[in-house]
Amino acid sequence: AQKITQTQPGMFVQEKEAVTLDCTYDTSDPSYGLFWYKQPSSGEMIFLIYQGSYDQQNATEGRYSLNFQKARKSANLVISASQLGDSAMYFCAMREPYNTDKLIFGTGTRLQVFP
Amino acid sequence: NAGVTQTPKFQVLKTGQSMTLQCAQDMNHEYMSWYRQDPGMGLRLIHYSVGAGITDQGEVPNGYNVSRSTTEDFPLRLLSAAPSQTSVYFCASSYTRQDSGANVLTFGAGSRLTVL
Repeated sequence: AQKITQTQPGMFVQEKEAVTLDCTYDTSDPSYGLFWYKQPSSGEMIFLIYQGSYDQQNATEGRYSLNFQKARKSANLVISASQLGDSAMYFCAMREPYNTDKLIFGTGTRLQVFP
Repeated sequence: NAGVTQTPKFQVLKTGQSMTLQCAQDMNHEYMSWYRQDPGMGLRLIHYSVGAGITDQGEVPNGYNVSRSTTEDFPLRLLSAAPSQTSVYFCASSYTRQDSGANVLTFGAGSRLTVL
């Protein structure tokens, strides 16, 4: 069965520093997609970045990049130049094989950015 | 476009009561889904629909009912509320990103339900 693991319940980072949020996944299917979502204290879920299993390059979206290591089954989110507004919960998710839209979520990492 | 709209935002129920969480989207998305979020457990899929008239169960469907009579609306019904259904509920619809071709979920603002 597919599974997403986020082992860091909480992370702290100083403003303007980079931070890496860990995500490992388990699947036996060669075709899958990996997502990161941000959930600020207001509660909405905001899409950040996507990586397909066949993508040759790591995905980037502005200050967000995904460190995709397929052999290690990891898809870590890197946030560069952290801002106070980055303080939020971050969820890693995997698209189930053969269904493009069903997602399996990890338990999340709470990131706190301090001045 | 209003995106994905959920109502109500907050609701308190007594055990055994029934209610419907409304979800509407104006983006003509075929795929819609409902998730629940509980502390320490991430989001879990309740039900989903790939188009009008078609629904299917997700990971945690028990105690919930859905229907999809139109593309726009995807209501979630709690038949007989239980304290275990206290949670935050998210409705989502899916769109295709032009750059990657990936289907990405866009979520409503969430509905916080408390069952006493």
